[in-house]
Amino acid sequence: SQQGEEDPQALSIQEGENATMNCSYKTSINNLQWYRQNSGRGLVHLILIRSNEREKHSGRLRVTLDTSKKSSSLLITASRAADTASYFCATDGSGNTPLVFGKGTRLSVIA
Amino acid sequence: DTAVSQTPKYLVTQMGNDKSIKCEQNLGHDTMYWYKQDSKKFLKIMFSYNNKELIINETVPNRFSPKSPDKAHLNLHINSLELGDSAVYFCASRRGSNTGELFFGEGSRLTVL
Repeated sequence: SQQGEEDPQALSIQEGENATMNCSYKTSINNLQWYRQNSGRGLVHLILIRSNEREKHSGRLRVTLDTSKKSSSLLITASRAADTASYFCATDGSGNTPLVFGKGTRLSVIA
Repeated sequence: DTAVSQTPKYLVTQMGNDKSIKCEQNLGHDTMYWYKQDSKKFLKIMFSYNNKELIINETVPNRFSPKSPDKAHLNLHINSLELGDSAVYFCASRRGSNTGELFFGEGSRLTVL
C-alpha cells in the first residue's frame, strides 16, 4: 500500500525562487528518502534522513522530518531551470520492507 | 560505467505475447527490486530479491515471474501480456534489504497494443 503522499502535486516557480515540497506518511519509519526523476529517466537519490534526525542539508537541499506529525519537507533554494523534475519521497520501514514511494511532486522552474 | 542497466529500454508488443526485461547491477549489492510506474507516475513495488532469494512478492498477477540467476541479475518475464501491463518498469538495487539508498536503472517502457 502507498505510504507517502506529496503535496503539492505540481509546482511552478521562477528561477531563483525557493521550492518547498511536503510529504506525509502513515506508519513508523526507520528513515525517509527523497528522490528526483527527470522526464524519461530513472530515479536518483537526493538525501536520506533518519527517524532520529530533524533536519539535514545537502548543497541547495534542506530536508526536515517531524515524526510526531509523520511529515517531511524538501526545500530547494535558489532554484534553477535544471531543477525541473518530479520529486518523490520514500519511506523505509523495519524488516525487509522495500522503500514505499509517494506519488511525487512535479516541479517546473521557469527561466 | 552504468551501475544498474536494464534492457530493452522500449518494448512494444501485442496483447497475449510473452516478453522479458533484463536487469544487471555492477555495484555488488545484495538486494534487487522491480518497481512498476504507471501513467500517473505512481511507483509500486512488485518484487524484491536478496542474494537470489525472493523476499517480497507484492500482489502481482502470476503472469509476472522474476528470476535471479545470481545476485547481480534480476530478470522479469511477463506471460500473456494485457493492455493494463503497459507501464515503465524500473529495476533497482541497494546494499542491504532494509537500509540505504536505492540505485535505479533507466527504466523499460512497455507498451501493449
